[in-house]
Amino acid sequence: DTAVSQTPKYLVTQMGNDKSIKCEQNLGHDTMYWYKQDSKKFLKIMFSYNNKELIINETVPNRFSPKSPDKAHLNLHINSLELGDSAVYFCASSLPGGGYGYTFGSGTRLTVV
Amino acid sequence: QKEVEQDPGPLSVPEGAIVSLNCTYSNSAFQYFMWYRQYSRKGPELLMYTYSSGNKEDGRFTAQVDKSSKYISLFIRDSQPSDSATYLCAMNAGAGSYQLTFGKGTKLSVIP
Repeated sequence: DTAVSQTPKYLVTQMGNDKSIKCEQNLGHDTMYWYKQDSKKFLKIMFSYNNKELIINETVPNRFSPKSPDKAHLNLHINSLELGDSAVYFCASSLPGGGYGYTFGSGTRLTVV
Repeated sequence: QKEVEQDPGPLSVPEGAIVSLNCTYSNSAFQYFMWYRQYSRKGPELLMYTYSSGNKEDGRFTAQVDKSSKYISLFIRDSQPSDSATYLCAMNAGAGSYQLTFGKGTKLSVIP
C-alpha cells in the first residue's frame, strides 16, 4: 500500500526517558514533516525536511531532534520526556512546496506519565 | 488575530442536511486552500483542494474560496452519519512556502 507509516502507534513512557518515533513514506515525495496535535486537536508544525535538508524548524524545545537518513524516512527523537510532551505526533509528506496538500500518517499517541 | 480562524463547534445535524463549514484567514499570501477530514484516532485525510478563488465540486462536497473576503467554505450535501468527523481547513502560500497553516477544526456529528 502507498502510504505514510509511523511506528509506534502508541507510546507510554515515564518522564525523563528518551524515545524515538519513526516515519516512512513510499509516495515518492521529496518533503516530509512532523506535526504535533494537542488535546484540543490543533495541528502545529514542528519540522520539515526537503530532500534530507531541514527547511522548517519551528520553536520547539531542543529536546526534540529530527533526523532524515534519506528522503523517504523522517524520524523524531525526544530526550528527557516531560508531561507536556503528551500529544499525538503526525508525520506527513508532500510534493515540494506542500501546496497540493499533505498525506498524513495515522499518528503516534505519546503519553508521558 | 490568529492566522486562520475556524469555529470548533461541535456541530450536530440530522442525516440528509446540508452542512456548511467555514474558515477565515488573515494572510493574503495564501493561495492554496484545503479541507481535511479527521476521524477519531486517525490521521487527517485530504478531502478537497482548491487553488485561488472559485468553486470546486466532488460528489457531495463543494469547496468555495473567496480571496477578496479571505473566507473559505466546505459544503456537504445529503450528509451521512459516516461524515461525522472533525473537518480542518488548511492553507498555504504556494511554491516554496512548504508550511500548511491549519484551522483548529470543526467537529461534526450527523445524527441518523
